[in-house]
Amino acid sequence: NAGVTQTPKFQVLKTGQSMTLQCAQDMNHEYMSWYRQDPGMGLRLIHYSVGAGITDQGEVPNGYNVSRSTTEDFPLRLLSAAPSQTSVYFCASRGGGRAYEQYFGPGTRLTVT
Amino acid sequence: ELKVEQNPLFLSMQEGKNYTIYCNYSTTSDRLYWYRQDPGKSLESLFVLLSNGAVKQEGRLMASLDTKARLSTLHITAAVHDLSATYFCAVDVVYQLIWGAGTKLIIKP
Repeated sequence: NAGVTQTPKFQVLKTGQSMTLQCAQDMNHEYMSWYRQDPGMGLRLIHYSVGAGITDQGEVPNGYNVSRSTTEDFPLRLLSAAPSQTSVYFCASRGGGRAYEQYFGPGTRLTVT
Repeated sequence: ELKVEQNPLFLSMQEGKNYTIYCNYSTTSDRLYWYRQDPGKSLESLFVLLSNGAVKQEGRLMASLDTKARLSTLHITAAVHDLSATYFCAVDVVYQLIWGAGTKLIIKP
């Protein structure tokens, strides 16, 4: 079991560029989510999905898109990068029912110049 | 507005001492999580508290949940240097986790 994997680990973008952060899990979890973490702050939820084909917005969705075509993958797309999106991005997954524990990927450190 | 407040935000303590981190939240929830994060690393799950009065212990860490007071505590007993990290609490509100800002804990030999 690889758990939750994220690529890339580091990325530098110029303002206005677009890119996709990849996230995959091999635990057959229904629930997946994307967070951003800024210095001195807790994590903030960007988007989440409760199953293939179902996504919803979290606390800070503007500037990001997601889709969930398979149970395993949950990519996060930055449409037109801005310096305010410089952050560390974490993907997480958890199972359904009473399987409440959430597992986090290693993170992607993104810098937008 | 949903709020999760941790205090203190920064704590420097000596090895061997006891201390408590507090997590207050503003909405009804019966699920609360504690995570640990080392610098530059991902988040590691410590405890999942699922009901009022829940208490869980692992080594020198003990977490409790009072849903009526909307308060969780993370107690550190006889701290050791290896427990230096940032600790986060998060409250589960219908598929969304709302996070506290974290408590940076430094334990000096």
